[in-house]
Amino acid sequence: AQTVTQSQPEMSVQEAETVTLSCTYDTSENNYYLFWYKQPPSRQMILVIRQEAYKQQNATENRFSVNFQKAAKSFSLKISDSQLGDTAMYFCASSGTSGTYKYIFGTGTRLKVLA
Amino acid sequence: EAQVTQNPRYLITVTGKKLTVTCSQNMNHEYMSWYRQDPGLGLRQIYYSMNVEVTDKGDVPEGYKVSRKEKRNFPLILESPSPNQTSLYFCASSWALGYPDTQYFGPGTRLTVL
Repeated sequence: AQTVTQSQPEMSVQEAETVTLSCTYDTSENNYYLFWYKQPPSRQMILVIRQEAYKQQNATENRFSVNFQKAAKSFSLKISDSQLGDTAMYFCASSGTSGTYKYIFGTGTRLKVLA
Repeated sequence: EAQVTQNPRYLITVTGKKLTVTCSQNMNHEYMSWYRQDPGLGLRQIYYSMNVEVTDKGDVPEGYKVSRKEKRNFPLILESPSPNQTSLYFCASSWALGYPDTQYFGPGTRLTVL
């Protein structure tokens, strides 16, 4: 089965600092999507950033950026200038990596931003 | 407002009592899906649907049923719930030009099976 692996169950960062969350995935496909979702204490799932595998340029969204290494099957999320509101569970996810229409999530990284 | 709605938001039931969790989206999305979230396991896909009358199993389909008779609705049916189905459930929808894209999630349904 195709997998998405997040090896950091918990992380913390000081407010205004930078933190990187790791994600690796398994696939033999060439075209697929990768995502980072945020789940704050409200439990609502919110898209943070999205990457299309055929695009070499790393996606960015304001303070959020990714380091997409296709050959290494790595997709890390960098949060710059961390804010208290970034405290949440972060999930890495993939679509198309299994060659089917399944959507696969990692187990999540709980991030705490410290004041 | 574009949204995915789920009902009920909270449900406590007993083993073996059939239940249905409804899901509806107003964005005309082709793709709809159900996930369960358990501590330490992330979100796991139960079933998904690429379009009306087209459904397929995700990674944890045992004990669940779905149907897609209309594009906007995708109910999740537990015909004989068991305690191991106690979980937080999310419905989601998306475009799917090729593979399913960004998932738009409902607010979640907290299910407890006693």
